[in-house]
Order: sequence, then C-alpha cells, then structure tokens
Amino acid sequence: DAKTTQPPSMDCAEGRAANLPCNHSTISGNEYVYWYRQIHSQGPQYIIHGLKNNETNEMASLIITEDRKSSTLILPHATLRDTAVYYCIVQTDSWGKFQFGAGTQVVVTP
Amino acid sequence: DTAVSQTPKYLVTQMGNDKSIKCEQNLGHDTMYWYKQDSKKFLKIMFSYNNKELIINETVPNRFSPKSPDKAHLNLHINSLELGDSAVYFCASSSAHYNEKLFFGSGTQLSVL
Repeated sequence: DAKTTQPPSMDCAEGRAANLPCNHSTISGNEYVYWYRQIHSQGPQYIIHGLKNNETNEMASLIITEDRKSSTLILPHATLRDTAVYYCIVQTDSWGKFQFGAGTQVVVTP
Repeated sequence: DTAVSQTPKYLVTQMGNDKSIKCEQNLGHDTMYWYKQDSKKFLKIMFSYNNKELIINETVPNRFSPKSPDKAHLNLHINSLELGDSAVYFCASSSAHYNEKLFFGSGTQLSVL
C-alpha cells in the first residue's frame, strides 16, 4: 500500500474552511484515498473516500489531483468539534487492513 | 443506539492475568476487526473476521485469541498479559470487505501493571 505524507499539525479559525493536504506520490491506479479522523479519546470516524473524482458529502469534500499523487480534504466551515487528528490513507487491500500513519492534528480555535 | 459497542471501557490488571474485551455491532455488518493503538498513537490492525471466519491475523502473539460466536460479536481474549500489551484496543465493523467504510467502537483502554 502507498504511504502518505501529512503535515503533523495545523490550526484553523472557527467558521473558516480547513484544507488538509496529503501526498501519496506512489499511489497505484486501483488504490483509494480514505480520510478518517479521531477526536480525543474516541474511535476513528470515517469522513470520505475517493478513487479519481472529487467527492463531497455532508462532512467534507475530497479533492484529488489529476495525477492522483496528492489530495486535499476540505472542511468547509470548521467548528470547535472538528478538532481532531485527521488520517489520510491510501489502500487497495481488502478486509479493513488500513495503515494509519501519524495524521495531522487539527486544532480549531475560536 | 450505539452502532459498535465494546466493553469494558477501561481495564486495569496485573501482569500474567487473563482478560477479555467484548465487542458487539448492531449494523448488520459481516466483517469485524480489532485494532490496537499504542502509546505513540499509531493504529494497527490485529485481526479481521468475516462471517465468523478469521481473515487477517497480523502476526499477533498467540496470547491474543479473537472469538466470533456470531457475525455481530467479536471478542478478544488475552492470556498472560504483559506490560507491552498496554494500549487502547478498538473494535470496528464494515458491511463489505472491499472499498469499505469502517465503523469503530469507542475503545478499551488496557493498562497492565
């Protein structure tokens, strides 16, 4: 499975959009990009995933570059409850074998 | 209406003891998992079960024995606990084995003294 590179931390002002980058330059053609987040002391929570096209759901948007070597998770209007560690994962393997890295600690400030 | 519930939430025990963590999901999913999050916060898969059958065993010591009595339950039994077993253990489930979305429980904080 391809490895990902994320900044260790970033701050975001409440109400503003949070743009979380992820590099996955060795991604294969059949590997999906997944985003999960983990709020302190809770289990990870699925956010969104995609293969090639941009995706949007009620939580966030996922923008994948045309060459698929990087992606950006966008939280359109960050709230204090969005403070969490955000994990970008690329994988093709099945049976839930996700490889979680260190993620990005996002702190949303008032 | 917790989707994936695991008990206990906290478990403090002595080295050498045997303990179990229980997990239940009410989502009707076929696949369940155990993940371990160590002190450095890295999450790693331990086991994956599909319809009560073991699919993935990520070189976990034999002291760890998962048991799935039915597809809604996946319990984790740990024999002869060691200090290094201290971690947070997460149960998860998914409806499919490919391109799946995992639903995680709230975790069990295991402390071995």
